[in-house]
Amino acid sequence: AQSVTQLDSQVPVFEEAPVELRCNYSSSVSVYLFWYVQYPNQGLQLLLKYLSGSTLVKGINGFEAEFNKSQTSFHLRKPSVHISDTAEYFCAVSRTKAAGNKLTFGGGTRVLVKP
Amino acid sequence: DAGVIQSPRHEVTEMGQEVTLRCKPISGHNSLFWYRQTMMRGLELLIYFNNNVPIDDSGMPEDRFSAKMPNASFSTLKIQPSEPRDSAVYFCASSLDSLLDEQFFGPGTRLTVL
Repeated sequence: AQSVTQLDSQVPVFEEAPVELRCNYSSSVSVYLFWYVQYPNQGLQLLLKYLSGSTLVKGINGFEAEFNKSQTSFHLRKPSVHISDTAEYFCAVSRTKAAGNKLTFGGGTRVLVKP
Repeated sequence: DAGVIQSPRHEVTEMGQEVTLRCKPISGHNSLFWYRQTMMRGLELLIYFNNNVPIDDSGMPEDRFSAKMPNASFSTLKIQPSEPRDSAVYFCASSLDSLLDEQFFGPGTRLTVL
């Protein structure tokens, strides 16, 4: 079985400040990792994903995440946030041997960007 | 492409009534997923289909829930009878056939059972 823990349920941050959203996973097999963003009253959109190769992954809207196998983490970062980054962010994992691409999501981190 | 289409966007019903949620995946996508999102339980996968065949329905909460995909362009999630604890936002998502393709989410259906 696999699980995903997002350590912060809410993160308030001032505009133009950096933000880091923490994600830890547990799995008995190798996994693929994803970050999704959900803007208010919308569905989820893919920000970035880690499948293999470089452990630093760059995504849309200036976000990046680093895969750390030894710490089983996949933290998301942005060096300077905008008001428009106010949203909920979900970390997700998929097992390499899963049929299809079944995702297990974390509980989400709500980011509130203040002017 | 219009993206994943869900209807209705909002549904308010009374306990005991039948509820049917509808989804049209992106054309050409062969995998379809139904999720439920609540404050208490977060985002949960209910069931997913590949080439119209249910692959994993282990997330379906109980027999009151059923899902069908009669063809590649349409799926339904039915709750009968509905209960207040079924109140949630239900998302449909679709992806291309291969493993790890991005899932594209619809806007969701907000269900309120009184």
